Amino acid sequence: DAGVIQSPRHEVTEMGQEVTLRCKPISGHDYLFWYRQTMMRGLELLIYFNNNVPIDDSGMPEDRFSAKMPNASFSTLKIQPSEPRDSAVYFCASSPGLRANRLAGREETQYFGPGTRLLVL
Amino acid sequence: TQLLEQSPQFLSIQEGENLTVYCNSSSVFSSLQWYRQEPGEGPVLLVTVVTGGEVKKLKRLTFQFGDARKDSSLHITAAQPGDTGLYLCAGVLGNEKLTFGTGTRLTIIP
Repeated sequence: DAGVIQSPRHEVTEMGQEVTLRCKPISGHDYLFWYRQTMMRGLELLIYFNNNVPIDDSGMPEDRFSAKMPNASFSTLKIQPSEPRDSAVYFCASSPGLRANRLAGREETQYFGPGTRLLVL
Repeated sequence: TQLLEQSPQFLSIQEGENLTVYCNSSSVFSSLQWYRQEPGEGPVLLVTVVTGGEVKKLKRLTFQFGDARKDSSLHITAAQPGDTGLYLCAGVLGNEKLTFGTGTRLTIIP
């Protein structure tokens, strides 16, 4: 399995531009998570989906951020317009679900992608 | 509000030494996980502890969950340069969400 795939790996853009981050979860995983990591705030959950439906978006910082999951194999996180304070590493993670893992005797883990390093100038 | 505080924030020690890092919270978790993250990569699960007082060993790493399921510790014996990385604890509150700690950045000096 290729694991969680994220693109691009690096993005440099100017303030005000639209940024779209992409994620392909592990096949068969029902849950998809978007996180943001900064030195100041650590690793924060932005939003997560179950079976393509957004379940909890309470971590989305403001209306400039939006996330979609049109099908089970693809999700996007969009920032419009971008600001310098959005600079961070954005991670996508997927999971069969903690309960599903537990019932199957597997480790209850989320599988993280390599991240997208975003710099907004 | 940061639910999980880790200490120390940074730790730099010589190869061969022992160390302990801590993860503390005022909240009770149904389980707690430890991840290690290396530069340019996402976090990777090391262990999950579920029962209060539980101790798990992974080679030179020993993980303990507090009796009240509010805190945890990670002890590394005879640290090696390959142990260098960012160590993150993450609490599970009963749903699918993980709440990550502030992190301990560990550097092992050869």
